[in-house]
Amino acid sequence: NAGVTQTPKFRILKIGQSMTLQCTQDMNHNYMYWYRQDPGMGLKLIYYSVGAGITDKGEVPNGYNVSRSTTEDFPLRLELAAPSQTSVYFCASSYGLAGRTGELFFGEGSRLTVL
Amino acid sequence: GDSVTQMEGPVTLSEEAFLTINCTYTATGYPSLFWYVQYPGEGLQLLLKATKADDKGSNKGFEATYRKETTSFHLEKGSVQVSDSAVYFCALSPLGTFGKGTHLIIQP
Repeated sequence: NAGVTQTPKFRILKIGQSMTLQCTQDMNHNYMYWYRQDPGMGLKLIYYSVGAGITDKGEVPNGYNVSRSTTEDFPLRLELAAPSQTSVYFCASSYGLAGRTGELFFGEGSRLTVL
Repeated sequence: GDSVTQMEGPVTLSEEAFLTINCTYTATGYPSLFWYVQYPGEGLQLLLKATKADDKGSNKGFEATYRKETTSFHLEKGSVQVSDSAVYFCALSPLGTFGKGTHLIIQP
């Protein structure tokens, strides 16, 4: 019953530090996504992947990198953290593009603070 | 590009009141439409969906009808409960374009 698992749940970074948010899913979904959620702003798509080895930019990719070496894992890398990256990050997966084949399945979120 | 506009909150209602949360969208093509719900401290989960015009999605007493002519997907519930307190997001395919969310507070 794991679904989409994100780690860590909470993290505090200093400006300029780097870190990786981990995301793994056990539903054999081809599509995976990273969103950030800022207060009152809804969710913004950072990057997405349609399968292993394939990634593409979303609406707000600057300052982030991703990789997709396996179907299960889709880590999000923050390089040179900035206060503007303080947010809650959600990883999600789906069988296909949302709506065409089904819903998005979300992890519980990772709250990142950059000081 | 695609966009979703939903009514801003917070929306505060008494238990057993009727609920409407408005959602309108702009999109190319024929997207599928979703309502997601986020309970405090949790991730988002699908509440209901509709994949084509005039479809009605329903779940847990909530309903929404895909209105292509008005580009709307309003969420309704006839009698809300305290346990419905959460943030509700309207979204559309293909990459999950989300509205800003509506915080719903139900008072006993």
